[in-house]
Amino acid sequence: DGGITQSPKYLFRKEGQNVTLSCEQNLNHDAMYWYRQDPGQGLRLIYYSQIVNDFQKGDIAEGYSVSREKKESFPLTVTSAQKNPTAFYLCASSTGSTTGELFFGEGSRLTVL
Amino acid sequence: GENVEQHPSTLSVQEGDSAVIKCTYSDSASNYFPWYKQELGKRPQLIIDIRSNVGEKKDQRIAVTLNKTAKHFSLHITETQPEDSAVYFCAGYSGTYKYIFGTGTRLKVLA
Repeated sequence: DGGITQSPKYLFRKEGQNVTLSCEQNLNHDAMYWYRQDPGQGLRLIYYSQIVNDFQKGDIAEGYSVSREKKESFPLTVTSAQKNPTAFYLCASSTGSTTGELFFGEGSRLTVL
Repeated sequence: GENVEQHPSTLSVQEGDSAVIKCTYSDSASNYFPWYKQELGKRPQLIIDIRSNVGEKKDQRIAVTLNKTAKHFSLHITETQPEDSAVYFCAGYSGTYKYIFGTGTRLKVLA
């Protein structure tokens, strides 16, 4: 069954800790994305990657890091430098064409205690 | 920078009535406009999209219209049903791997 899998679904973090959110896709998509969702603010782009071993900062990249060592995997690390990390995080992928549909994972809800 | 404004932020309609959500974009290079539906606690899913060379597209009870001159596009849902209750997001895309999303509309269909 093709799709995008995010884990964990819920995550609690103490202040000062780094956490890594997993995102795996078996759609053979070239492009992958991480979005942050806060109430009333829509979806904001954190990082995106067009191809393996390449990624670009989005609008709110500060305090986050990513890697793209494999086509199917795009993990996001929320570092201690992110001042307000409590949010819902969505991973997505697309074919990367000029009008490609975004396919989203189920999301990961991070709460800082 | 580029942005997409979406209105209203909340919308309540009686079951069977129509619902309209409007978005305005700023990037003239935008050429693809998808609409996503997100039910509570679930992933956003594409419900309809439109490309810049088309003025209107329909899919059963859902339609999207695009006015390139005015830089706005709208989602129309007719004969609303309780299962249409969700948050709807519009987006603009200019082919640079960056989708610009609106802030979402929470639609409530009252039975």
